Amino acid sequence: GQNIDQPTEMTATEGAIVQINCTYQTSGFNGLFWYQQHAGEAPTFLSYNVLDGLEEKGRFSSFLSRSKGYSYLLLKELQMKDSASYLCAVRALSEGSNTGKLIFGQGTTLQVKP
Amino acid sequence: ETGVTQSPTHLIKTRGQQVTLRCSSQSGHNTVSWYQQALGQGPQFIFQYYREEENGRGNFPPRFSGLQFPNYSSELNVNALELDDSALYLCASSLHSGKETQYFGPGTRLLVL
Repeated sequence: GQNIDQPTEMTATEGAIVQINCTYQTSGFNGLFWYQQHAGEAPTFLSYNVLDGLEEKGRFSSFLSRSKGYSYLLLKELQMKDSASYLCAVRALSEGSNTGKLIFGQGTTLQVKP
Repeated sequence: ETGVTQSPTHLIKTRGQQVTLRCSSQSGHNTVSWYQQALGQGPQFIFQYYREEENGRGNFPPRFSGLQFPNYSSELNVNALELDDSALYLCASSLHSGKETQYFGPGTRLLVL
């Protein structure tokens, strides 16, 4: 089956570093995405990993280990505006199809405190 | 801003009614995917359209249907609305056949009473 797990809630302090973990079990793996979603808004693309390793983009980094079915999103120098839900999503290709559907975890609500 | 637009932003319907939601994709994107996001949950894949054809479907009943037009805009139609259909409906556009990054519109919040 298809399953993606991430913590429901996390709290961190402004200026600190936080790591949000995601584990997955899917067939047809074709990449892992992280999206940020503020309450009542659409998900915004943050990062994409398809090969093992770390991808860095400013204050945000994302890591992937395909053999372990594991990813994390690292947020540095936390700001109050980083308070949001962070969605881990795996792109899965169906056999014989080129449909790149995204399978999402339930999201991790991050609260940044002063 | 992703360049993906959706209408309407909010909608209230009663059980048994039908609803049509609309999505305009980002310029140059030929693939549109629709997702349903219940409160406190991650989005769930409904279906994807590529070059005006349905190109994959999630675990949603046939009363969820869609269309894609020659300009790549898309509609999601839901018949015989049920209370559990209350959710945020998101469309995402991408290049090619969905193998590229999907960019989301602001969503339509549907409430079924």
